[in-house]
Parts: sequence; C-alpha cells; structure tokens
Amino acid sequence: DAGITQSPRHKVTETGTPVTLRCHQTENHRYMYWYRQDPGHGLRLIHYSYGVKDTDKGEVSDGYSVSRSKTEDFLLTLESATSSQTSVYFCATGTANQPQHFGDGTRLSIL
Amino acid sequence: EDQVTQSPEALRLQEGESSSLNCSYTVSGLRGLFWYRQDPGKGPEFLFTLYSAGEEKEKERLKATLTKKESFLHITAPKPEDSATYLCAVQAKGGSEKLVFGKGTKLTVNP
Repeated sequence: DAGITQSPRHKVTETGTPVTLRCHQTENHRYMYWYRQDPGHGLRLIHYSYGVKDTDKGEVSDGYSVSRSKTEDFLLTLESATSSQTSVYFCATGTANQPQHFGDGTRLSIL
Repeated sequence: EDQVTQSPEALRLQEGESSSLNCSYTVSGLRGLFWYRQDPGKGPEFLFTLYSAGEEKEKERLKATLTKKESFLHITAPKPEDSATYLCAVQAKGGSEKLVFGKGTKLTVNP
C-alpha cells in the first residue's frame, strides 16, 4: 500500500539472534500495528501503538517488543529469535474510525 | 472473547459462476466488520466496512451484507482476476481500534 514501507522484505537468521523489523509510514496515521500471519491461524495482532511512545500488547506478544519514537516509525524486535517466530509479519496503520491499511509484509525465516 | 469464523476455507469457481463467502462472528458489541482482499505475497487490501445489521455495500462484482451474527461476501459473475484470499475482521466497541481476523477464504476462479 502506498505510504507504508516495511523493511527488510525478506530475512533469514539463526535461532538466538536479535532481529528488528521496521515499518515506516508517510500517512501521519496515529495508530500502527504489527501482525503475524501463519497458515491455519490467519492474521494475529502482536503489538500496537496509539501514539508516539504509547504501545500495548496484542494477542501474541510473548517474545516480541516494540518501540515508537516517531509518528512515522514502528519497530518490532525479537530479542532472541526462535523457530516458532518464523512467519510473515505485516505492519498496518490507521486513524480512528477508519479501516487499517497494510504494508506488503516481511518474510522472516529463523533456522 | 471476540471470534471470527470464515467458510469455506477454499472455494473454486468457474468464470461467471456466482457464489457467496461467509463470515460468522461473535463480538462484545460490534463497532464494525471489515472485508479485505489479499493477493499472494501482498498485504491485505481494504474492500468494505459494515457497521449495522441490514447494511449492504457494493464494489464492481462484490457485494457485502451484514446480519447480527454473520456477513456474506457475494461474488457475481466472477472473473479470474477475482482470485485471491478474502479476509473478514471485526472491531469491537469500547474505544480500541484493534481488529480480530478470520482465517480467510481462498477463492480460485478458473477461466
């Protein structure tokens, strides 16, 4: 989607290493979200942010942390990656009473 | 706990063969129900928001309807380019902007 950039788009790493995924938006949206998408589970919310330095946990937050120091950037960190965190990660942004819009995802493989 | 169940998991149609996808939901007060389309390797793309029972919205060959327990996405005379995974999500009342997604229906339209 125009206005949402996720980086990297693909990453392969080893168990136990730290990993940071970045979501950058140019829409000046207040809300930002991180989801993971796995076969048989659909999209599940990891963490979300409702403003700079304001974040909260989602459904599957264990093993993940987030930070938002600027409106446009939302970082997702896996402090010590595990194979169960192999997934496709999507960032979304939105405003109150408007639908969320998604980036094109980061495919993360943890060996 | 808010839940969304989509059926069928997969649907194969011939071009021009109309059908419907189902999204059943339980939510503690519906604020909005959302339909998204997802193409392989891409993020979900917003289609519709429905807010109250009886509401209908249309876009090209797609029409979404809403009752108090479920939503239908009707596809009229589909074309191969309608092939995608269709996702349904609900947002509950209470101030949170969070979405709860179903697992999706993978639609294939054969020429």
